[in-house]
Amino acid sequence: GQQLNQSPQSMFIQEGEDVSMNCTSSSIFNTWLWYKQDPGEGPVLLIALYKAGELTSNGRLTAQFGITRKDSFLNISASIPSDVGIYFCAGQLRAGANSKLTFGKGITLSVRP
Amino acid sequence: DGGITQSPKYLFRKEGQNVTLSCEQNLNHDAMYWYRQDPGQGLRLIYYSQIVNDFQKGDIAEGYSVSREKKESFPLTVTSAQKNPTAFYLCASSQTPGTGGGWYGYTFGSGTRLTVV
Repeated sequence: GQQLNQSPQSMFIQEGEDVSMNCTSSSIFNTWLWYKQDPGEGPVLLIALYKAGELTSNGRLTAQFGITRKDSFLNISASIPSDVGIYFCAGQLRAGANSKLTFGKGITLSVRP
Repeated sequence: DGGITQSPKYLFRKEGQNVTLSCEQNLNHDAMYWYRQDPGQGLRLIYYSQIVNDFQKGDIAEGYSVSREKKESFPLTVTSAQKNPTAFYLCASSQTPGTGGGWYGYTFGSGTRLTVV
């Protein structure tokens, strides 16, 4: 089946630092999504990307839909303690009734004050 | 406010017992999903339903059962056949994506943590 690759599994940064995460696939996706999961909660959508090359920002977050449609990047600038959590990328292969999201395994981000 | 509600938040089960996790949404979404989350393993799909009275097995359906009698509800039963049921369970829902973009993926509930004692 489809797989999305996220690595490393964990990242440790200092408060105030920027951090970049990427997500790669061997297959083309039509939509890329980035989610954040706080401890003990469900994932929440951060950014959605719909076109190859698209660059979208949401506050301190910036994400890009790769030109090849096989990858996406998420950047967090000036990290703060509440950025701690698990960041998942997800891709949608096609629209329509049989479409499902494929998720990466997530990256656990820790922020040292 | 529209949303998706999972209950209970914490659930304890004795070995050999079946237990049902509740998931209700008032977003008028057609599709609903159940995922299992274990540390370091990401989200693994158990079952999904794209229309009332129909559902499909996901990647790890063994030991689980579901029903979809109403659009709003998609309960998950963890049966005694599930060998390692202790995990965090997430329910999600979504609209059927169209072809014009603007689809916002899944809306997740806040999860149920099941512990076998």
